[in-house]
Amino acid sequence: QSALTQPRSVSGSPGQSVTISCTGTISDVGAGNYVSWYQQHPGRAPKLVIYDVTKRPSGVPDRFSGSKSGNTASLTISGLQAEDEADYYCWSLADVADGYVTVGGGTKVTVL
Amino acid sequence: QVQLQESGPGLVRPSETLSLTCAVSDFSITTADYFWGWIRQPPGKGLDWIGTIAQFGRTFYNPSLKSRVTIFVDTSKNELSLKLSSVTAADTAVYYCVRDRGNGCADSWGQGTLVTVSS
Repeated sequence: QSALTQPRSVSGSPGQSVTISCTGTISDVGAGNYVSWYQQHPGRAPKLVIYDVTKRPSGVPDRFSGSKSGNTASLTISGLQAEDEADYYCWSLADVADGYVTVGGGTKVTVL
Repeated sequence: QVQLQESGPGLVRPSETLSLTCAVSDFSITTADYFWGWIRQPPGKGLDWIGTIAQFGRTFYNPSLKSRVTIFVDTSKNELSLKLSSVTAADTAVYYCVRDRGNGCADSWGQGTLVTVSS
C-alpha cells in the first residue's frame, strides 16, 4: 500500500480538464512545498511535469498545473489532449532531515 | 542536457546481491545542490523510491530497504552505483537512476534497466 493516496483512474474528453488528487499526511504533503508529479507513458521512463507543488519544468505545457491544500496536493490537466493519456505519480519529501520520499500509487488518465 | 544510462546484469539469483551502475554524462556528479538516486518499478506496478546520495556521500534510503541497500558514487568516473543484497523475486523490477534537485524531485531519468531475480 502506497503512503500517498491517488485515485486509480480518471478520464476526460479532449479539451476538458481533469484533476488528480494526492492525499498524504501532515508529515509529508502537509509539511512543506516538496510535492512533485511525474507522467509515464507505457514502456517509457517517468517524466517530471510539476515540482515544488506548483512549478513547471522548462518544456512542460502550461496546461499542467499543481496546487495544494492541507495534506492534499492536486495535478490539473486543462485542455486535455490525446498525448496526455498516461500514468501519473505524485511524490512528496516526507522528512527533510532524512530525505525520505513517499510515493503515490499512480493514476491512469484516459482520454475518451 | 544531462544523460543517465543504467547498466548491469539482467538476471540475478535469489539471495545474491544486485549491482547496477549509472553513467552520468554532460553534467558533473559533484555539482552542488544536486542529489543522485535510484527508483524501481516492478512489472505492471507503481514506482518505488529506493534512495539518494547527496554531496559528501550522505545517503538517504527507503526505510523498507535500508538494511539491504547501498548507494555510492565514483566521482572519477562520474558514475552512480546501487547494491541491493539478499534479493528475492519481489526485487524484480525496472531500475531507474535519477538526478534529484535535492528536494525529492527527480528532474532527469535514465531509460531504466530490467533486473529479474530468478534461479
